[in-house]
Amino acid sequence: ILNVEQSPQSLHVQEGDSTNFTCSFPSSNFYALHWYRWETAKSPEALFVMTLNGDEKKKGRISATLNTKEGYSYLYIKGSQPEDSATYLCALNSGGYQKVTFGIGTKLQVIP
Amino acid sequence: DGGITQSPKYLFRKEGQNVTLSCEQNLNHDAMYWYRQDPGQGLRLIYYSQIVNDFQKGDIAEGYSVSREKKESFPLTVTSAQKNPTAFYLCASSTKTSLYTGELFFGEGSRLTVL
Repeated sequence: ILNVEQSPQSLHVQEGDSTNFTCSFPSSNFYALHWYRWETAKSPEALFVMTLNGDEKKKGRISATLNTKEGYSYLYIKGSQPEDSATYLCALNSGGYQKVTFGIGTKLQVIP
Repeated sequence: DGGITQSPKYLFRKEGQNVTLSCEQNLNHDAMYWYRQDPGQGLRLIYYSQIVNDFQKGDIAEGYSVSREKKESFPLTVTSAQKNPTAFYLCASSTKTSLYTGELFFGEGSRLTVL
């Protein structure tokens, strides 16, 4: 079983602060790296699917980068808002239906 | 709206009883999955199904069973053989064409507590 690590496991930031978290993974057998946002009492929703080394994706104030050679991805949130409070999951797809490995997530709380 | 519906959201059962968690999707997705979440661990795959009438064990299938008689439905039975069934269960689906790169679509989950 592959090891996908996320750090930190939790953090609190003030509204307006920018923040970032890390997902690290083994770079062998890489097909795709997914980021999901999981708000309390809701279903996880995909933020980004990244496939190419050097990929940078952006959705509003949230962006992500990918380095497949060294095995990490960063998620950035610019000017955090209370509605950004959620758990952010990363998942490595290393080859198909049964080959998606999730990290434990980073729980973000944005304090108004 | 299209999506995945899981029921019930909360379920309490006595030890030794089988329970079945429902998962229905109207996204017309071929593949469906069951994941389990435990504190301090990432989501772990229990079973997945690529097409109707076919399913495969995931990493932690022992003590669970599934069926896929209809494309829309993928119920999970937690049997009495599952040693530690108290957990949060998530159902997901994906399109066949996005096997390697496509996102998963999730339900809101079912929390099972065995007393």
